[in-house]
Amino acid sequence: AQSVTQPDIHITVSEGASLELRCNYSYGATPYLFWYVQSPGQGLQLLLKYFSGDTLVQGIKGFEAEFKRSQSSFNLRKPSVHWSDAAEYFCAVGANGPGGYQKVTFGTGTKLQVIP
Amino acid sequence: DAGVTQSPTHLIKTRGQQVTLRCSPKSGHDTVSWYQQALGQGPQFIFQYYEEEERQRGNFPDRFSGHQFPNYSSELNVNALLLGDSALYLCASSFGDRGNTIYFGEGSWLTVV
Repeated sequence: AQSVTQPDIHITVSEGASLELRCNYSYGATPYLFWYVQSPGQGLQLLLKYFSGDTLVQGIKGFEAEFKRSQSSFNLRKPSVHWSDAAEYFCAVGANGPGGYQKVTFGTGTKLQVIP
Repeated sequence: DAGVTQSPTHLIKTRGQQVTLRCSPKSGHDTVSWYQQALGQGPQFIFQYYEEEERQRGNFPDRFSGHQFPNYSSELNVNALLLGDSALYLCASSFGDRGNTIYFGEGSWLTVV
């Protein structure tokens, strides 16, 4: 069974500073990888996804993530954080479960605080 | 292009009651998954429906059941509500049952008192 670990529960960065959110996954084969963002009281918005190909993927709002198979990681980055980026970020891994049907497993999330 | 829509947005139920939540998938999508997100936690997979059948199920008791209709919309039913069922219930849709991006609705907030 697949699993996702987001080791940082809470991160605080200054506006304009760079950001890296960590994500490690466990799965026997190449997984599908996602990053979602959730503002308070809202649903999840897809930031970016990796299915195959180029290991550096670009997403919306200036975010990017890099898939590193050797480290089983899919870290999210942004070169300059804006106050509006304050939210909770979830890494997720999708894999084919029993019967071949896709199942997506989420990490516990990283809450991002942006200070002026 | 309408995204995933869920209803109701918020509801309060009493312990022991039953609740039905509804979801319309994004246009062009035929697969619906349901997730439970307790406060401060990540979404937990409940089950997935494709071709009107439950294809996969997470670690949830039989009190949680669902249905998918021919127009691909879906319902989540929870019987004999417990206080611990209080959570945000998220519906997600995708095209096909494997290897595609899932898109989420805004969720239904259920409070059990």
